[in-house]
Amino acid sequence: AQKITQTQPGMFVQEKEAVTLDCTYDTSDPSYGLFWYKQPSSGEMIFLIYQGSYDQQNATEGRYSLNFQKARKSANLVISASQLGDSAMYFCAMREVGRTGANSKLTFGKGITLSVRP
Amino acid sequence: DGGITQSPKYLFRKEGQNVTLSCEQNLNHDAMYWYRQDPGQGLRLIYYSQIVNDFQKGDIAEGYSVSREKKESFPLTVTSAQKNPTAFYLCASSIRQGKAYEQYFGPGTRLTVT
Repeated sequence: AQKITQTQPGMFVQEKEAVTLDCTYDTSDPSYGLFWYKQPSSGEMIFLIYQGSYDQQNATEGRYSLNFQKARKSANLVISASQLGDSAMYFCAMREVGRTGANSKLTFGKGITLSVRP
Repeated sequence: DGGITQSPKYLFRKEGQNVTLSCEQNLNHDAMYWYRQDPGQGLRLIYYSQIVNDFQKGDIAEGYSVSREKKESFPLTVTSAQKNPTAFYLCASSIRQGKAYEQYFGPGTRLTVT
């Protein structure tokens, strides 16, 4: 089973509008972290936002917020007031800690392409 | 400015040749990682290192080798044993291993083997 699922086809949004990018995950580990990264056409991965599994509140970073629904195992990224520069690939990723506390790897989804229209 | 550098940005090699991709960071991070990205796919972990002189295999280590002789450097060698080496390679680092520590990425190296 996939650990991280991003199934939306290419997404389009009008400039200045909000958009939600979906991410569901699968883990039996009670302690884990969820990340969103942006990858513009240049290729570099840019960290956007982090949510810990025990965090009581949804994470926010400027125009980015994470809609964390633990029971549904979803961690959707919300981008408010879209800008042309938001056009990129967006990846959801998860890091599990494991019973021993040993830190395991970061697992990425396949990504979603977002295009912002002027 | 602190960051991660990867060189070169584009690399071309003939089949059967080993090639080494450079990754240097001046962020004073303990942990470093190598990922491979294929078109339309997410990132897959090749190798990672938590401290100097120590590294572990990721999901797709076959055909690759690494070294970590210095904290700042984590070079990746793509050997001739790697069956499909053409891909985009990303190096990353984090302060340390841990669920809350985000990874910072370099600009990547696009390797083409013909």
